[in-house]
Amino acid sequence: GQQVMQIPQYQHVQEGEDFTTYCNSSTTLSNIQWYKQRPGGHPVFLIQLVKSGEVKKQKRLTFQFGEAKKNSSLHITATQTTDVGTYFCADPSGTYKYIFGTGTRLKVLA
Amino acid sequence: DVKVTQSSRYLVKRTGEKVFLECVQDMDHENMFWYRQDPGLGLRLIYFSYDVKMKEKGDIPEGYSVSREKKERFSLILESASTNQTSMYLCASSGQGALSYGYTFGSGTRLTVV
Repeated sequence: GQQVMQIPQYQHVQEGEDFTTYCNSSTTLSNIQWYKQRPGGHPVFLIQLVKSGEVKKQKRLTFQFGEAKKNSSLHITATQTTDVGTYFCADPSGTYKYIFGTGTRLKVLA
Repeated sequence: DVKVTQSSRYLVKRTGEKVFLECVQDMDHENMFWYRQDPGLGLRLIYFSYDVKMKEKGDIPEGYSVSREKKERFSLILESASTNQTSMYLCASSGQGALSYGYTFGSGTRLTVV
């Protein structure tokens, strides 16, 4: 069946360093979503990408959808302690349910 | 501004008890979901519902059942709780068509079965 893999599984960075997580699908995606889950919290929707090669920015976060629509990335510039959490990508193209990626847990060291 | 509400944040139950986890959403969403989240295993779908009285099994339905008698409410039932059901349970909802724009998750219920 369809799988959505994320790498890395864990990442520790010094505050101020950049961070990138990658999401790869075994099939072509119609669109892709990203979520953030703070420690002890619940996943919160961040953004949806639809077009091939699309790039969207939210302050220090840059989201990119691959040209072939089989991968996506989330890049955080100059990480802050508030960026700590787990970042999930999700394929929402199922009839009702989404396929969530395995998640990347980010730890930011002050 | 709470849109998906789970009835309990923390719950402790005994092995063999019947456990009800309640979830209510106020966004008029058609789709509702129950996930469990365990360290290293990500989000695993237990059951979902795309309409009142409709339900579909997810990836790990064994030991669980659900009920959706009203559009806004989706209940997860552990028929006979076991220690391996100790987990964080997350309810989510999503719309269809123009309303379909991401899942909205509840705050979660951390269930401990002793």
